Amino acid sequence: QKEVEQDPGPLSVPEGAIVSLNCTYSNSAFQYFMWYRQYSRKGPELLMYTYSSGNKEDGRFTAQVDKSSKYISLFIRDSQPSDSATYLCAMTAGYGNKLVFGAGTILRVKS
Amino acid sequence: DAEITQSPRHKITETGRQVTLACHQTWNHNNMFWYRQDLGHGLRLIHYSYGVQDTNKGEVSDGYSVSRSNTEDLPLTLESAASSQTSVYFCASSLEGRTGELFFGEGSRLTVL
Repeated sequence: QKEVEQDPGPLSVPEGAIVSLNCTYSNSAFQYFMWYRQYSRKGPELLMYTYSSGNKEDGRFTAQVDKSSKYISLFIRDSQPSDSATYLCAMTAGYGNKLVFGAGTILRVKS
Repeated sequence: DAEITQSPRHKITETGRQVTLACHQTWNHNNMFWYRQDLGHGLRLIHYSYGVQDTNKGEVSDGYSVSRSNTEDLPLTLESAASSQTSVYFCASSLEGRTGELFFGEGSRLTVL
């Protein structure tokens, strides 16, 4: 069993929809949770960063962490075609510990 | 602007050849990483370095080596390329203490025939 599980998709939604992307994990030591966005043939770029449980909002993006359920989510409001990309979750127990990535979910937003 | 660059962006080589992928960053970051990305596996860590002369093995280090002679560069060498090493390789860097905040290069696509 992988430490981090992420549905690969693809997830196809119409423009303007609310998108929910999710990851589950098994290691209760994880404290730092990240979402990276990767456009086709590009390197990943950090999108959201959260520590421990709770929500964090940045514009149309909201990251949510539920440590009790070992479940993290990324919500995208008013999705745009420019949001079409692969979204990778990542997590770690802390500095000096390995950073574990999910396999990524492909998102397609149709105009 | 600070950046991280990889070269070559595309390379085709033959089984058994030695290949070096270059990574150069101008962020002045202490930490540098090499990942490979394969369908269904996501990003897997090959090697990493926390500073000059420091190198460490990641989860898929067999057949790869790195050296860190300065802050800016972390070249990745495949000693004897194998078809299983066909992949997209990403270099990344981060500030010391900035857990998980990686800056990635554009990637190097390697095909081993």
